[in-house]
Amino acid sequence: EPEVTQTPSHQVTQMGQEVILRCVPISNHLYFYWYRQILGQKVEFLVSFYNNEISEKSEIFDDQFSVERPDGSNFTLKIRSTKLEDSAMYFCASSGRDSNTDTQYFGPGTRLTVL
Amino acid sequence: RKEVEQDPGPFNVPEGATVAFNCTYSNSASQSFFWYRQDCRKEPKLLMSVYSSGNEDGRFTAQLNRASQYISLLIRDSKLSDSATYLCVVLQPSSASKIIFGSGTRLSIRP
Repeated sequence: EPEVTQTPSHQVTQMGQEVILRCVPISNHLYFYWYRQILGQKVEFLVSFYNNEISEKSEIFDDQFSVERPDGSNFTLKIRSTKLEDSAMYFCASSGRDSNTDTQYFGPGTRLTVL
Repeated sequence: RKEVEQDPGPFNVPEGATVAFNCTYSNSASQSFFWYRQDCRKEPKLLMSVYSSGNEDGRFTAQLNRASQYISLLIRDSKLSDSATYLCVVLQPSSASKIIFGSGTRLSIRP
């Protein structure tokens, strides 16, 4: 069964450093997403991406964040200058052709720890 | 009122019991609803979509009540493996892609 993959599984970084989280969505999916989950809190939407551009973003997704699909398979989330409060689990997800109804499949997540 | 609200639990029930969760949503125009489950420190996984007519998948039944703006999940004959956090998920009506998660309801099944 196809699945979303994410690397690394755990990233530790110093405050102020840039990090890039990587995702490989399911191959025939067209919509890609990033979510985050701070420990003990709910899953929060960050951004959705379709047709090589951002289609929605939340208020969390400020200028420190960017997303990119650098090639036909990877989807990345960059945090330019990490803050302590960026420590969280970051989940990538993808869905098929109909974003209104298609299931979003989640990757296993990257645990980001900012020191 | 929160966009998507759930009782956090925990619900602690014996194996074989029937348990039900409700979830309320604030935007009456919401159209798509889902239940996901999340195991500790794992990714959310779709349990089932929730249709207007209600739907059943084995031991799981989901219902939608638009008038009262809530969805429900019923688990019959609960198994130890059902222990998880159950997340209510609603697609924003003004958006084709943004889904809102509830905080989740923790379920623990005891032998």
